[in-house]
Amino acid sequence: DAKTTQPPSMDCAEGRAANLPCNHSTISGNEYVYWYRQIHSQGPQYIIHGLKNNETNEMASLIITEDRKSSTLILPHATLRDTAVYYCIVSSTGTASKLTFGTGTRLQVTL
Amino acid sequence: DAGVIQSPRHEVTEMGQEVTLRCKPISGHNSLFWYRQTMMRGLELLIYFNNNVPIDDSGMPEDRFSAKMPNASFSTLKIQPSEPRDSAVYFCASRLQGASSYEQYFGPGTRLTVT
Repeated sequence: DAKTTQPPSMDCAEGRAANLPCNHSTISGNEYVYWYRQIHSQGPQYIIHGLKNNETNEMASLIITEDRKSSTLILPHATLRDTAVYYCIVSSTGTASKLTFGTGTRLQVTL
Repeated sequence: DAGVIQSPRHEVTEMGQEVTLRCKPISGHNSLFWYRQTMMRGLELLIYFNNNVPIDDSGMPEDRFSAKMPNASFSTLKIQPSEPRDSAVYFCASRLQGASSYEQYFGPGTRLTVT
């Protein structure tokens, strides 16, 4: 699976949009981009995933560049409860697919 | 749905003792994953099963660790004998392989302390 690069930490004011970048320049054509987050002491939580098109759900939006070498997770209106470590993961699908977690981005949402 | 259930939530044991961690995946899910998380090494995949069959156990640290999935609704991770360096949070996750999306659902974890 392709490796990802994320900034170690970011701050965001409550109510503002949080834009979390991820580089995955070695992504293969059949690999998806997944985002998970881990709130302190809890198990990781799935947020969103995409292949090439931009995706949106009730939690966030995922913007993938046309060359698929990078992506951005957008939390449109961050709240204090969004403070967490956010992981960007690239993985193929299929029986043998698995998630390899890096160090992620620690997002701190402040008042 | 109750989600992924793990037990115990906390385990404190002495070095050399056997430890068994338990996981009940989400009903209907056919893939199960065991992870370990420490400050030093982050979140590591230990082993995963598909339809109760181990697919990849390359992350299992050594022979002291073993995992079983006797049926679709139960899995165990056993450490025998346990050592202080095994202290970590162990997460179990399940997934519905073959669906249009492949997200994993994680349990709350078992915090293991080996003294």
